[in-house]
Amino acid sequence: AQTVTQSQPEMSVQEAETVTLSCTYDTSESDYYLFWYKQPPSRQMILVIRQEAYKQQNATENRFSVNFQKAAKSFSLKISDSQLGDAAMYFCASRPLSSGSARQLTFGSGTQLTVLP
Amino acid sequence: DAGVIQSPRHEVTEMGQEVTLRCKPISGHNSLFWYRQTMMRGLELLIYFNNNVPIDDSGMPEDRFSAKMPNASFSTLKIQPSEPRDSAVYFCASSDTVKYSKTDPPLHFGNGTRLTVT
Repeated sequence: AQTVTQSQPEMSVQEAETVTLSCTYDTSESDYYLFWYKQPPSRQMILVIRQEAYKQQNATENRFSVNFQKAAKSFSLKISDSQLGDAAMYFCASRPLSSGSARQLTFGSGTQLTVLP
Repeated sequence: DAGVIQSPRHEVTEMGQEVTLRCKPISGHNSLFWYRQTMMRGLELLIYFNNNVPIDDSGMPEDRFSAKMPNASFSTLKIQPSEPRDSAVYFCASSDTVKYSKTDPPLHFGNGTRLTVT
């Protein structure tokens, strides 16, 4: 079983500043993936970044990076040089790697990010 | 690539009516997923198909919900009869687990169908 917890329902950041969104998870799986998805007002779920749990190096994608603390089961997202287009709901998610899995994502409850001009 | 296409984008119906949501996955993708998003429960997996065959439907809330995938390019999610508590955004997603058999297959979401049952 997997659970994903996002304790910040809302966050705001000034344009060009940096913001960190928190996520903790729990899983009985030994191998898994972690993801951050962005959902803008258009509703489409867009993959922002992903992390393989067996990799110690934190994933980065341009202005987006993660701080993956496996022992603490923490997976935060840092957005640098925030832009107005970053405003969206952000979901943290996990998925087991095992071949017997349903390949299903377990999502957190989301964090609504507002970017202030 | 047009992405995952869902229709309708919005659906408003009265309690007791049948509702059918439609999904066209990305061409060539062999896995298809139906998710439901609500404020109370967030995003939940309802059912997923692999090669048009339902693999896991444990997330389907009740017998009122049914899903089919008659071919590789089309899937439906039907609610009969609908109830106000079914109001939610329903997402379809697809992935290519053959191409990415040794790695993590990216999941591509559609724009969702917002269902309102009055």
